[in-house]
Amino acid sequence: AQSVTQLGSHVSVSEGALVLLRCNYSSSVPPYLFWYVQYPNQGLQLLLKYTSAATLVKGINGFEAEFKKSETSFHLTKPSAHMSDAAEYFCAVSSGSARQLTFGSGTQLTVLP
Amino acid sequence: DTEVTQTPKHLVMGMTNKKSLKCEQHMGHRAMYWYKQKAKKPPELMFVYSYEKLSINESVPSRFSPECPNSSLLNLHLHALQPEDSALYLCASSERDLDTQYFGPGTRLTVL
Repeated sequence: AQSVTQLGSHVSVSEGALVLLRCNYSSSVPPYLFWYVQYPNQGLQLLLKYTSAATLVKGINGFEAEFKKSETSFHLTKPSAHMSDAAEYFCAVSSGSARQLTFGSGTQLTVLP
Repeated sequence: DTEVTQTPKHLVMGMTNKKSLKCEQHMGHRAMYWYKQKAKKPPELMFVYSYEKLSINESVPSRFSPECPNSSLLNLHLHALQPEDSALYLCASSERDLDTQYFGPGTRLTVL
């Protein structure tokens, strides 16, 4: 069985501040982990993915995430928030024979001027 | 190019109507997916096609009928829907099962 927990359904940061969105996963086998972003009334866009190569993964738009097996975490960070980063962010896991993505409940990021 | 296209962008239908949603990808992906997403919620998997065969049906009501005519095209036929079926319907594709999924922009469905 696999699951994802995103801590904080809403996160607000000031423009230029650090963005930290938290994701913890549960999987009985080595997982693949993903972060997707969704802007209003749009589909999901892949930000980055972890597939058992480097533990620090760099994605688009300046985002990165670090896979920490000991903490079963895959937190998303960006050093300096931009107004255009305001969106819903989903962490997701796929593993073993699950053959499907399991999504977290999502985190709404608000960027304050 | 990682583009998945979906048509129509918006659809309004009555409970007695029959309509279809269309999804297309030209990346050579062999797995395609339908998801349903309600407001402020994560996507929920409905169907998975792998090599043009239905491999997963997540106990979806029969008023939703998927079809995969070829490896590039995925349809979702709708009939006798209920107002609670109103949602954003997302299509996705991946090279194979378990590979990275790429999503289309979605079809916003409203059932009156």
